[in-house]
Amino acid sequence: NAGVTQTPKFRILKIGQSMTLQCTQDMNHNYMYWYRQDPGMGLKLIYYSVGAGITDKGEVPNGYNVSRSTTEDFPLRLELAAPSQTSVYFCASTWTGEAFFGQGTRLTVV
Amino acid sequence: KNEVEQSPQNLTAQEGEFITINCSYSVGISALHWLQQHPGGGIVSLFMLSSGKKKHGRLIATINIQEKHSSLHITASHPRDSAVYICAVKYSGAGSYQLTFGKGTKLSVIP
Repeated sequence: NAGVTQTPKFRILKIGQSMTLQCTQDMNHNYMYWYRQDPGMGLKLIYYSVGAGITDKGEVPNGYNVSRSTTEDFPLRLELAAPSQTSVYFCASTWTGEAFFGQGTRLTVV
Repeated sequence: KNEVEQSPQNLTAQEGEFITINCSYSVGISALHWLQQHPGGGIVSLFMLSSGKKKHGRLIATINIQEKHSSLHITASHPRDSAVYICAVKYSGAGSYQLTFGKGTKLSVIP
């Protein structure tokens, strides 16, 4: 199994641009999450989903959007990128057992 | 506020030393995860615990539900163990789907 696949690994955006971070899992997990990780801070939850068609806001949702049309895919959309969104982003999935994480996306907004 | 506290924040050890990293949390949980993150790398799950103790190779994780405390031990530490170790909990209760993370413990093992 591939686990959680997250793309791209690196990206530089200009202020005001938009992009989508892709996340796919092949473990049939119901729960999927998007986190951001800033230096010296714990991972902060942006959005999460408990199943296809169901999403909800986490701790820091402003400036982001998500969708969950299938169990496998949970893309994160950044609209109107801002320097405050410079961070490392992680997608994760879990169900009844351990959590699996993508490799992360290092995003810089300039 | 439900928080997860880890100690120490930073830890430097000589190769071969026994290492302990601690995690405490404030309310009841359904599961606790220990995760490992190498510099510039992804996050890997080491253990998921709801009670007792688990062992994998040189790594041992314990949890005391009554005291709301967990420890991660590394025996015979090696430079390749150098990483950030993160504790995360899933709080119990209806509608609790999220993981709450500690800020991590940065471990450096010196040859």
